[in-house]
Amino acid sequence: GEKVEQHESTLSVREGDSAVINCTYTDTASSYFPWYKQEAGKSLHFVIDIRSNVDRKQSQRLIVLLDKKAKRFSLHITATQPEDSAIYFCAADMSNYNVLYFGSGTKLTVEP
Amino acid sequence: GGIITQTPKFLIGQEGQKLTLKCQQNFNHDTMYWYRQDSGKGLRLIYYSITENDLQKGDLSEGYDASREKKSSFSLTVTSAQKNEMAVFLCASRETGVDTQYFGPGTRLLVL
Repeated sequence: GEKVEQHESTLSVREGDSAVINCTYTDTASSYFPWYKQEAGKSLHFVIDIRSNVDRKQSQRLIVLLDKKAKRFSLHITATQPEDSAIYFCAADMSNYNVLYFGSGTKLTVEP
Repeated sequence: GGIITQTPKFLIGQEGQKLTLKCQQNFNHDTMYWYRQDSGKGLRLIYYSITENDLQKGDLSEGYDASREKKSSFSLTVTSAQKNEMAVFLCASRETGVDTQYFGPGTRLLVL
C-alpha cells in the first residue's frame, strides 16, 4: 500500500519567518494530498490540499507544492504567527473513497 | 455547518474486554471513517463505510469490528483490549464528491 514519510518530526521558527514541511509518498497512483493541523489536545483540522493535476496551490499564507516526478509535496507557511504552532500532518490518497495515508506529523513551534 | 460527536471522550478498559466507541455526524455525509492515532505516529485507517450498512477494512482492521447502523452513525468495537494499550480513536466523515474529511474530537483509550 501507500507509504507517506514526513521528514521533519519537529520544526522551530521565529515569528515572521517561513516554515517548510516536507513529505514523500510511494504510490504513483496517489492523486490527492491534504494537510491537517492538530492543536494541542484537539482533533485534526483541514488546512489545505492539492490535487495531482496542479503543482502549486496557495491559500493566504499557506502554499502547497507538488513534485510528481520526485513523489514529494511540501507545505510552506509564510509570515508565521504563534497561532501556527501545532502538529501538521500530510496525507496522500489514491482511491475513489478518499482513503488517506498519513505521515507521522511535524510539530511546529513558532517562537515570538 | 455540522458536527461530529464521539462518545465516550475517555474510555478505560481491562485487558481482554470488548469495548465500543460511537460516532455520530449531522453533516448528512455518506462516507465515514475510523482512524487510530498513536503517540508520535500518524493516523492509521481501521474501517470505513461508504453508505449505511457498508463496511470496508483499512490496514489496521485486525482486532476491531465496525457497524454502520444508519447514515449518521458509525460504531467501532475493540474485540479484545490489549494490556497497556493507549491510543486516540478518531472518527471522520466526508461528503460524496468532496475530498475534505472532517474529524471528530476523538476517544482516548487506556487499557489497564
